[in-house]
Amino acid sequence: NAGVTQTPKFQVLKTGQSMTLQCAQDMNHNSMYWYRQDPGMGLRLIYYSASEGTTDKGEVPNGYNVSRLNKREFSLRLESAAPSQTSVYFCATLGGATLGSYNEQFFGPGTRLTVL
Amino acid sequence: GESVGLHLPTLSVQEGDNSIINCAYSNSASDYFIWYKQESGKGPQFIIDIRSNMDKRQGQRVTVLLNKTVKHLSLQIAATQPGDSAVYFCAEILRIKAAGNKLTFGGGTRVLVKP
Repeated sequence: NAGVTQTPKFQVLKTGQSMTLQCAQDMNHNSMYWYRQDPGMGLRLIYYSASEGTTDKGEVPNGYNVSRLNKREFSLRLESAAPSQTSVYFCATLGGATLGSYNEQFFGPGTRLTVL
Repeated sequence: GESVGLHLPTLSVQEGDNSIINCAYSNSASDYFIWYKQESGKGPQFIIDIRSNMDKRQGQRVTVLLNKTVKHLSLQIAATQPGDSAVYFCAEILRIKAAGNKLTFGGGTRVLVKP
């Protein structure tokens, strides 16, 4: 049971390059999220997917696209990377209630992206 | 727009003392609130959550208080330990019809535990 996994862990891009960040979960959660976290800041929601087949914009969607490939996988794509997209990207899931919480949520380890 | 914010960016606490971390939110329609702990180089880790129809919820060494009148959320950590040093975020969950759950995070408070 791996929880939420993200690949790659680190990436350096040049301005204008494209890449896809991968996220997968094995907890059978319906909702998945992509956040970015800039140094010393909180997490800002980029896109989320309430369930397989649906995606919606968050606070900062510009410059990004997402694909909810199936229930397990939710990818984030940067079509033309810009230095302003240098950040740490976190994928997260949200499931139903457990004994300890009303909403079970897990975060991946993050992808550290630098755009030169 | 919707926002979740924090009053104190940094909190220094003596080991053994109690810590109180505050959070203000603006969306009165939020259904749940969650507190997260984030250690350096790691993703946020769930601490405790509370429904909007509750005032208080207790966990292991932590208590979350919700005051909907003034849209205020707080996290109390009892007998703070060095391992509690981290950045703490509050987040609100808004259930959007047909779009699922939307999480919005606050800016975070860094807690430094002094030995």
